[in-house]
Amino acid sequence: QQQVKQSPQSLIVQKGGISIINCAYENTAFDYFPWYQQFPGKGPALLIAIRPDVSEKKEGRFTISFNKSAKQFSLHIMDSQPGDSATYFCAASLGNFNKFYFGSGTKLNVKP
Amino acid sequence: DTAVSQTPKYLVTQMGNDKSIKCEQNLGHDTMYWYKQDSKKFLKIMFSYNNKELIINETVPNRFSPKSPDKAHLNLHINSLELGDSAVYFCASSLGVGELFFGEGSRLTVL
Repeated sequence: QQQVKQSPQSLIVQKGGISIINCAYENTAFDYFPWYQQFPGKGPALLIAIRPDVSEKKEGRFTISFNKSAKQFSLHIMDSQPGDSATYFCAASLGNFNKFYFGSGTKLNVKP
Repeated sequence: DTAVSQTPKYLVTQMGNDKSIKCEQNLGHDTMYWYKQDSKKFLKIMFSYNNKELIINETVPNRFSPKSPDKAHLNLHINSLELGDSAVYFCASSLGVGELFFGEGSRLTVL
């Protein structure tokens, strides 16, 4: 059973557009929700993360929106750039064990 | 200078063989992990060690055996390789509870 469900599987956005990736989780005990970015041939790298006590976190062009009651969170990439083309993974973890459950990934392609 | 380094980067081997992947981190972290990424890019935790002690052991065939000689190293040995073991294996580390730092992965192909 997949603990974190991610959509869409792939996304094509024009340069300058907004990319939106959604995730949903079941376990209300999750207390940390990071997004990881992975370029081909590389390992995932932390992009931005949020804890459930806030509804939004913004870092530059990247924003996480978090809806605790709906058990959903999403990544918004404003002014998307070709260099943002990568696979994005949402994740959720149970703090004490640092055990991360990853979504299935979204391959983002930003067209110039 | 690499924070989390894995070797080898590529392994191609025959079914039934035994292989090992090594991982080292120079970040001073106390927790290390092995993740498996399948052909559909799905990332799944396999093992986690905290200060050389096994703390996460997911449902992984016992052909997979992790070993942590010290908190900076975590190796993965795989016996009797099967076709389904083909994947990219990522080592990661963290300082207690927090951000995971991943290596660049080791792509295993079983023929």
